Amino acid sequence: KAGVTQTPRYLIKTRGQQVTLSCSPISGHRSVSWYQQTPGQGLQFLFEYFSETQRNKGNFPGRFSGRQFSNSRSEMNVSTLELGDSALYLCASSARQGAGEQYFGPGTRLTVT
Amino acid sequence: SQELEQSPQSLIVQEGKNLTINCTSSKTLYGLYWYKQKYGEGLIFLMMLQKGGEEKSHEKITAKLDEKKQQSSLHITASQPSHAGIYLCGADMASGTYKYIFGTGTRLKVLA
Repeated sequence: KAGVTQTPRYLIKTRGQQVTLSCSPISGHRSVSWYQQTPGQGLQFLFEYFSETQRNKGNFPGRFSGRQFSNSRSEMNVSTLELGDSALYLCASSARQGAGEQYFGPGTRLTVT
Repeated sequence: SQELEQSPQSLIVQEGKNLTINCTSSKTLYGLYWYKQKYGEGLIFLMMLQKGGEEKSHEKITAKLDEKKQQSSLHITASQPSHAGIYLCGADMASGTYKYIFGTGTRLKVLA
């Protein structure tokens, strides 16, 4: 079974721009969660999508948004990028909503200059 | 303050030594998960614990959840260089509202 894939793996953007990250979950998994990882804050939960609906949301500003498609693939968008958005963005897929075992992708390293 | 505290923050051990990493919460945990991360990469699921007193093992790694479900320990027996990485505990913190959080991580280095 193929694992979770994320594209792109690396991204460099300028302040004020927007960015879209993509995540393809493990086949059959309907839950996709997004996380931001930084040296200072560690791993923080952004949001979870299940069956194309956002089910849970972490404590991030509205500039962070996401969506999920009918094939369970998910995208995350960050608008008006700030320097502090530089981070490793990880997505994780799970067979059930709400938690359980999560399988993580390799991440997208976003650098904002 | 961090809802899930891990200790120690970093650990350097000689190959063959045993070690323990702790994960402590101030609240009851509804599920506790252990993950391993290589620097800059995704997390690899190790184990899930849900019942108080539960203990699980995989190869040389054993994890326990205490009876009150507020602390978990991860024990590695006869450590090897392949065990090196960052170990994170993750937990479901609240019933009703999903809140999945992670500990600060423990960086493990194993000297050959």
